[in-house]
Amino acid sequence: DGGITQSPKYLFRKEGQNVTLSCEQNLNHDAMYWYRQDPGQGLRLIYYSQIVNDFQKGDIAEGYSVSREKKESFPLTVTSAQKNPTAFYLCASSSPLDFKETQYFGPGTRLLVL
Amino acid sequence: AQTVTQSQPEMSVQEAETVTLSCTYDTSENNYYLFWYKQPPSRQMILVIRQEAYKQQNATENRFSVNFQKAAKSFSLKISDSQLGDTAMYFCAFMKPGTGNQFYFGTGTSLTVIP
Repeated sequence: DGGITQSPKYLFRKEGQNVTLSCEQNLNHDAMYWYRQDPGQGLRLIYYSQIVNDFQKGDIAEGYSVSREKKESFPLTVTSAQKNPTAFYLCASSSPLDFKETQYFGPGTRLLVL
Repeated sequence: AQTVTQSQPEMSVQEAETVTLSCTYDTSENNYYLFWYKQPPSRQMILVIRQEAYKQQNATENRFSVNFQKAAKSFSLKISDSQLGDTAMYFCAFMKPGTGNQFYFGTGTSLTVIP
């Protein structure tokens, strides 16, 4: 089955700790995205990547970092500089050749601070 | 940045009835896409329907249809014959092709279908 997987489903971070959220897709999509979702708010873009070895900051990139070494993978690191990391994180991918740029989402990771 | 406004934080509808969710957006672009996504309690984001701005015909997907008013910058979602499984958060989203095809999301409408 083609799709997007995110792991872990729940993640706990201690003060001063960096944590990495995994996102993998087997849809052969070129573009991948990371969003943050807080209660009462819509999704906000953290980072996106349109091609391997290239990525761009979104609206709320401070305190986060990404890499795109493989087409299938787009991990997100939440660094200690992110002072309020508790949120639900969603990964998405899209292809200009597939359904008019529609973004398809993974199941999400819930990050909690201890 | 583009802005997307969903003015109804919460709505409810009786099972089998029809409900309309509102969405307005602000843009100076002429070519763009609009989407409705559903997020059930599982929190998986699921595409409901999409609309290309250059198409005048309103998109439909089974029980879901949109009323796209380009001049008014309005993109409402109509759900007919509501089912219990339609209970979810619904997000309206705007996308302008280019510059990473960034999506801009509204704050969502929580829809409850009442048996």
